[in-house]
Amino acid sequence: EVQLVESGGGLVKPGGSLRLSCAASGFTFSTYSMNWVRQAPGKGLECVSSISESSGSKYYADSVKGRFTISRDNAKNSLYLQMDSLRAEDTAVYYCAKDAEITSDFWYFDLWGRGTLVTVSS
Amino acid sequence: SYELTQPPSVSVSPGQTARITCSGDALPKQYAYWYQQKPGQAPVLVIYKDSERPSGIPERFSGSSSGTTVTLTISGVQAEDEADYYCQSADRSGSYPMVFGGGTKLTVL
Repeated sequence: EVQLVESGGGLVKPGGSLRLSCAASGFTFSTYSMNWVRQAPGKGLECVSSISESSGSKYYADSVKGRFTISRDNAKNSLYLQMDSLRAEDTAVYYCAKDAEITSDFWYFDLWGRGTLVTVSS
Repeated sequence: SYELTQPPSVSVSPGQTARITCSGDALPKQYAYWYQQKPGQAPVLVIYKDSERPSGIPERFSGSSSGTTVTLTISGVQAEDEADYYCQSADRSGSYPMVFGGGTKLTVL
């Protein structure tokens, strides 16, 4: 079955750290760029980070630049997001999302996980 | 910063046609994509490259583009279409930033 399964969310204090994981199955993970998209409670979608197939190119939204680090392990079909110096405004459901096209300038998502909730609160 | 603008809400009766717009200065030069999100669920791609429909998406979903505005049209709206809809555009060449519209809540009366 083609799917993405996120894990690692939870409650963390401001200034703390958390590492999210995304396990991919049912497709050739190593051939697609991968992304993390978040959604704050009652709010819209924001793509916070993206990584190319071979990890050679990475994107970070301004809101997380310098605090979050994206990585992947193609041998384990896994995507990660290391989140440091967390703030209350980072509270959101974090989705793992797969690029729709291989090695393409067109940047959109055709497969999403169910998300993992990150709550930053004292 | 670059933005995509959507109406916060659209309401239609079952069987009618719903049109959800998304406006942005770069849309004449860049494709738009549409996602449907039902409560408690992950988004689902319903239209890509302005007007293409992924496999498995009902034919009543269509997309169009005109100038700085793209439109998601749902013909013969059904109760199950009630959801939030988000437009999105981006280009990995770096010319255009990754951005989502603010979302439109479609209510089926």
